[in-house]
Amino acid sequence: QSVLTQPPSVSAAPGQKVTISCSGSTSNIGSHYVSWCQQLPGTAPKLLIYDTDKRPSGIPDRFSGSKSGTSATLAITGLQTGDEADYYCATWDNSLSTYVFGTGTKVTVL
Amino acid sequence: QVQLVQSGSELKKPGASVRVSCQASGYTFNAYTINWVRQAPGQGLEWMGWININTGNPSYAQDFTGRFVFSLDTSVSTAYLQIVSLKADDTAMYYCARAVMGSTALDYWGQGTLITVSA
Repeated sequence: QSVLTQPPSVSAAPGQKVTISCSGSTSNIGSHYVSWCQQLPGTAPKLLIYDTDKRPSGIPDRFSGSKSGTSATLAITGLQTGDEADYYCATWDNSLSTYVFGTGTKVTVL
Repeated sequence: QVQLVQSGSELKKPGASVRVSCQASGYTFNAYTINWVRQAPGQGLEWMGWININTGNPSYAQDFTGRFVFSLDTSVSTAYLQIVSLKADDTAMYYCARAVMGSTALDYWGQGTLITVSA
C-alpha cells in the first residue's frame, strides 16, 4: 500500500475543472517537492508537474500543481477528452528512504 | 531529442532470468540518473530504485533487493535491469526513466518492456 493516497477516480464534463488530491505525511510531502505524471491508456507515464508547481516545456498551463502542509493537489482546467488518463503524484519519503508514487487517480471526461 | 528506448517484450519461465535494456540518446548520459519503475497488470507505479551513472552505484527500494540488479554500459549509453529467479508475480511492465542528479522528478520515460513469467 502506498503512503500517498489519491482518490480512485474523478470526473467532469469537457471544459470544466477537476482537482486531484494527494495526501501524505511530514516524512514525504511535508518535506519534499512533489511531482505529477500522466499515463494515457496503454502508454508510458509522462511528467506533468515537477518541484510541486513547475511545468516542463510543452505542458499546457491548464495543468497546475500546489501543496499545503502534507497534501498536494493537481488541478486541470478546461478539461478535454484527451485528458482521460491515470494521474500519479510522487515524492521522496524520508522514513522509507524510497521514492513513492501515489495510488493513482483515473480522470474521466463525461 | 531526448529518448530512452527499451528492449522488447519477453516471455520467460519461472526460475529463469531476464535482462531489460534502456538506451539513452539526445542528452549527456552521465548528467542524470536512471530509475526503474514497475507496473503490474492493472496496478499502479512502483519505484524500484536508481543507478548513479557517474559512479555506477545502484540503490534499490526495499522490495527490490536480492533478485534485481541494475547495471550500466556507459560506452553505449545504456542501462540494464536484470531479474533472476523469476516468479509469476514479476509479470509486469518495466519502465526506465531519467532524473536530474539530486532531483526526484522523472522527466523522460522509456516506452516500457513487458515481462511475462509463465510456465
